[in-house]
Amino acid sequence: GQNIDQPTEMTATEGAIVQINCTYQTSGFNGLFWYQQHAGEAPTFLSYNVLDGLEEKGRFSSFLSRSKGYSYLLLKELQMKDSASYLCAVRDSNYQLIWGAGTKLIIKP
Amino acid sequence: GAVVSQHPSWVICKSGTSVKIECRSLDFQATTMFWYRQFPKQSLMLMATSNEGSKATYEQGVEKDKFLINHASLTLSTLTVTSAHPEDSSFYICSASRPDMSSYEQYFGPGTRLTVT
Repeated sequence: GQNIDQPTEMTATEGAIVQINCTYQTSGFNGLFWYQQHAGEAPTFLSYNVLDGLEEKGRFSSFLSRSKGYSYLLLKELQMKDSASYLCAVRDSNYQLIWGAGTKLIIKP
Repeated sequence: GAVVSQHPSWVICKSGTSVKIECRSLDFQATTMFWYRQFPKQSLMLMATSNEGSKATYEQGVEKDKFLINHASLTLSTLTVTSAHPEDSSFYICSASRPDMSSYEQYFGPGTRLTVT
């Protein structure tokens, strides 16, 4: 079966750095997405990786290793507004998005 | 930009009634729209994929006669929850993909919170 694993919850301190990991086993691979979702709101797009390596976008970076079925989202200079759930999603060979359960990130002052 | 709107943002209805939720892509043509359901503290669950002008493809376990999807135009898809029951209370989110973008990123609407009493 298809599976996306990410930690359920993480806690970090304002101003620090946090890395959220995502491992996947899917039938085929056509890209990996990270989305941010604040409570009660719809997800918003953060990043897209289809080739191995690091994609940097301001305070957020996303890394992909296809051979290891592994990705991480790196958040730097954490701000209180970064408290949210972070969803990892992989597009499989049928171009369907397989969603992880999300990682709830709690930022403490 | 790529903006997707949903209407209504929240709705309360009585058990046994039907509710229609609209999803619109405001500034692009969306050949494919997706409908998700999300229960509290759970991840998104894809309900169906709809392509303009054709019948929606439903995920396993989703009753197509209960959740009617109509993708009438390139900018509008509707989800009708028929004979709603309290267990249908959930957060319903639509998304649309832009075929002109190589990533086929999905743009999400703001969601509709449905409460069935």
